[in-house]
Amino acid sequence: DVKVTQSSRYLVKRTGEKVFLECVQDMDHENMFWYRQDPGLGLRLIYFSYDVKMKEKGDIPEGYSVSREKKERFSLILESASTNQTSMYLCASSPLAGAGTGELFFGEGSRLTVL
Amino acid sequence: AQSVSQHNHHVILSEAASLELGCNYSYGGTVNLFWYVQYPGQHLQLLLKYFSGDPLVKGIKGFEAEFIKSKFSFNLRKPSVQWSDTAEYFCAVEPDNAGNMLTFGGGTRLMVKP
Repeated sequence: DVKVTQSSRYLVKRTGEKVFLECVQDMDHENMFWYRQDPGLGLRLIYFSYDVKMKEKGDIPEGYSVSREKKERFSLILESASTNQTSMYLCASSPLAGAGTGELFFGEGSRLTVL
Repeated sequence: AQSVSQHNHHVILSEAASLELGCNYSYGGTVNLFWYVQYPGQHLQLLLKYFSGDPLVKGIKGFEAEFIKSKFSFNLRKPSVQWSDTAEYFCAVEPDNAGNMLTFGGGTRLMVKP
């Protein structure tokens, strides 16, 4: 089974703090994604990466950055956390488009509260 | 850009009732369609998907969905729900050849009363 592991299930941070959310997948997938999940808004794509050191902005990249130094690891960074970034953050991975089923494999999520 | 609408935000049913969750999308080209489910405390997982062929697709746990191209819809159905179907359901759309770039709907919370 594909496993996508998010290092922190729950975090509480203060406004202005730098926040790192880590995600590791064990299936050698090329694609990795960060979404945020908010009630009534579903999942919105923040950033994605289709290869090491490659990144692309999603629909809501403002206030976030990402890092992909190794194929299996994709980090989401909040340079200066704000209260409107309180949310559930979901990491996902998938094999190279055209080589797989189109299915995304999700981690269990990291619930971030910014005070 | 494409968008996905799920009209029902909350649905409450009794066990054995039939279920239909609506999903409409806006995109003019060829799409791949998905339903994902998130059970309480668990990660999102794929319920079923449509890429091409028979517009009626069957997924896990007795769920099915029908793609109606003329209506830009991909509604999820189950003839008889169980308490264990209590979850949040998300419809998602991927323009063909978009490299797994999915756009998700806002989700529908289903509660099944025992």
